[in-house]
Amino acid sequence: AQKVTQAQTEISVVEKEDVTLDCVYETRDTTYYLFWYKQPPSGELVFLIRRNSFDEQNEISGRYSWNFQKSTSSFNFTITASQVVDSAVYFCALKVGTGGTSYGKLTFGQGTILTVHP
Amino acid sequence: DSGVTQTPKHLITATGQRVTLRCSPRSGDLSVYWYQQSLDQGLQFLIQYYNGEERAKGNILERFSAQQFPDLHSELNLSSLELGDSALYFCASSGRTGGNRNTEAFFGQGTRLTVV
Repeated sequence: AQKVTQAQTEISVVEKEDVTLDCVYETRDTTYYLFWYKQPPSGELVFLIRRNSFDEQNEISGRYSWNFQKSTSSFNFTITASQVVDSAVYFCALKVGTGGTSYGKLTFGQGTILTVHP
Repeated sequence: DSGVTQTPKHLITATGQRVTLRCSPRSGDLSVYWYQQSLDQGLQFLIQYYNGEERAKGNILERFSAQQFPDLHSELNLSSLELGDSALYFCASSGRTGGNRNTEAFFGQGTRLTVV
């Protein structure tokens, strides 16, 4: 069975601070995919990034960066110079499998509520 | 805009009733997923269809059923509704033909169901 843990329930920062959201996952599969989704107050789920288990290269995209470490089963997400518009619930998710199961379900963490104050 | 369309956006109904939630996937996506988001359970996978066939089942109650039609849109039917079924129901799609098989799922805006 798969499991995703986001230990931080809520984080509150002041605008322009950097903030890191933690994600730890559990799976016995050797091939898997990790995702971050954002859910703003309006309610929709917005895809942010996907990482494959065989690609540990970390990535920076504008103010966002991701740190994937298989050795610690972690997939952390950092927002640099946070803005009020970053306030949302952030979900880490895991999908396992290859071949016919590659379209499989996502297992989500419980989410981290990020509030950025002006 | 994710390209996934869900209707209706809001639904209020009484206990014991039956409702149907509708989902149109992104153009070309073959897989449709249904998820339920509630305060106590978080985001839970319900069921997946791929090109009209059921592919995987999660924590879906027997009172709930789904199907995917030849045009690839999907419906989630919820019957004998209880207060505890109040939640945000998401549809997602992925698996565009000819593209990367291991693609992310794109979510619709959700249907907020309130059972009173």
